[in-house]
Amino acid sequence: KQEVTQIPAALSVPEGENLVLNCSFTDSAIYNLQWFRQDPGKGLTSLLLIQSSQREQTSGRLNASLDKSSGRSTLYIAASQPGDSATYLCAARVTGANNLFFGTGTRLTVIP
Amino acid sequence: NAGVTQTPKFQVLKTGQSMTLQCAQDMNHEYMSWYRQDPGMGLRLIHYSVGAGITDQGEVPNGYNVSRSTTEDFPLRLLSAAPSQTSVYFCASSYSRWDSYEQYFGPGTRLTVT
Repeated sequence: KQEVTQIPAALSVPEGENLVLNCSFTDSAIYNLQWFRQDPGKGLTSLLLIQSSQREQTSGRLNASLDKSSGRSTLYIAASQPGDSATYLCAARVTGANNLFFGTGTRLTVIP
Repeated sequence: NAGVTQTPKFQVLKTGQSMTLQCAQDMNHEYMSWYRQDPGMGLRLIHYSVGAGITDQGEVPNGYNVSRSTTEDFPLRLLSAAPSQTSVYFCASSYSRWDSYEQYFGPGTRLTVT
């Protein structure tokens, strides 16, 4: 069974700092990997989707990378802002499976 | 587009009661699913549907039923609520069951069973 891990569970950074969130997975036979943002008491907002054939995806200040051979994905946030404070979840879709396998998330706090 | 909508936002049930969590999407998505989110655990799949009339079990289906009579709606029924079903429930949809499509999530239903 696919296991997805996100470390650290929580991270605090001062505003303006660049930061990297980590996601690791045990089964490299993934089809794609999706990064989500979850605000307290809210649903999940999709940030980036990386297909297994891709190495990275970019959207604005966000850049996600995927390295299947090492079982890792990273989400890079440039010039962090207080509005980036949220929990970030990664989820892997294994080839042939019907569900996403989620990590438990990294709670990010950006301090003004 | 409203996207994926869920009702109610909050619900408190007593043990043994039954209820239906509603989920609807207006994107003509073929694939819909239900997840539950518990503290310290990642979201886990309860049931999913690949189209109207077709449903199947996910990782944690016990105690829940689903049906899919239309493309738009995918309700989740709790047959006899138990405290272990206290959780946040999310409905999700995507264009197709095929792996390459992005999934969209609803705002969630917070359920407490006493």
